[in-house]
Amino acid sequence: AQSVTQLGSHVSVSEGALVLLRCNYSSSVPPYLFWYVQYPNQGLQLLLKYTTGATLVKGINGFEAEFKKSETSFHLTKPSAHMSDAAEYFCAVSDPSGTYKYIFGTGTRLKVLA
Amino acid sequence: GAGVSQSPSNKVTEKGKDVELRCDPISGHTALYWYRQSLGQGLEFLIYFQGNSAPDKSGLPSDRFSAERTGGSVSTLTIQRTQQEDSAVYLCASSSQGSTNTEAFFGQGTRLTVV
Repeated sequence: AQSVTQLGSHVSVSEGALVLLRCNYSSSVPPYLFWYVQYPNQGLQLLLKYTTGATLVKGINGFEAEFKKSETSFHLTKPSAHMSDAAEYFCAVSDPSGTYKYIFGTGTRLKVLA
Repeated sequence: GAGVSQSPSNKVTEKGKDVELRCDPISGHTALYWYRQSLGQGLEFLIYFQGNSAPDKSGLPSDRFSAERTGGSVSTLTIQRTQQEDSAVYLCASSSQGSTNTEAFFGQGTRLTVV
């Protein structure tokens, strides 16, 4: 069965510092991978996704993530944090063989310090 | 509509009552998903619709939970005889193909509080 682990339920960074949010997955086949962001009292918004091809994926708001099959990881990074990045971030996987459901991690709440 | 719409946005109900949560997906989206988000938890998959059919309802936690979709559009999630552990945010999402590499668009959720 597929699963997603997000290390660190809360991460704090200073404004301008590197953001690194970790995501590891467990899957018998290379999955499709997603990062979603949830701002307070809002739904989830897709940041980026990996399906096939280039393993370094760029998303919105300056975020990017790299699929590393050998490490079963899909960590999210941003070179310089902004105050507006404060939100909850969810990593998700789906099974390309077509079970059509997304399995989400427990989320990481990012706090940006002035 | 322009996005996924859920109603009500907030619902407070007494233990033992039935509730209905509504999801209006993006027009033309054939796939529809319900998730539950509890405090400190991730998003828990409940059920997936392709058109009006539900090929995967494996996440429904008990027989008190049911869902239907009519006309390939609006979906209703019904919880009967609500319990306090049902308190959570219920999120609906839709996507255009029901293929797992397509983006799922989420509504803002219904916050259910059972008192």
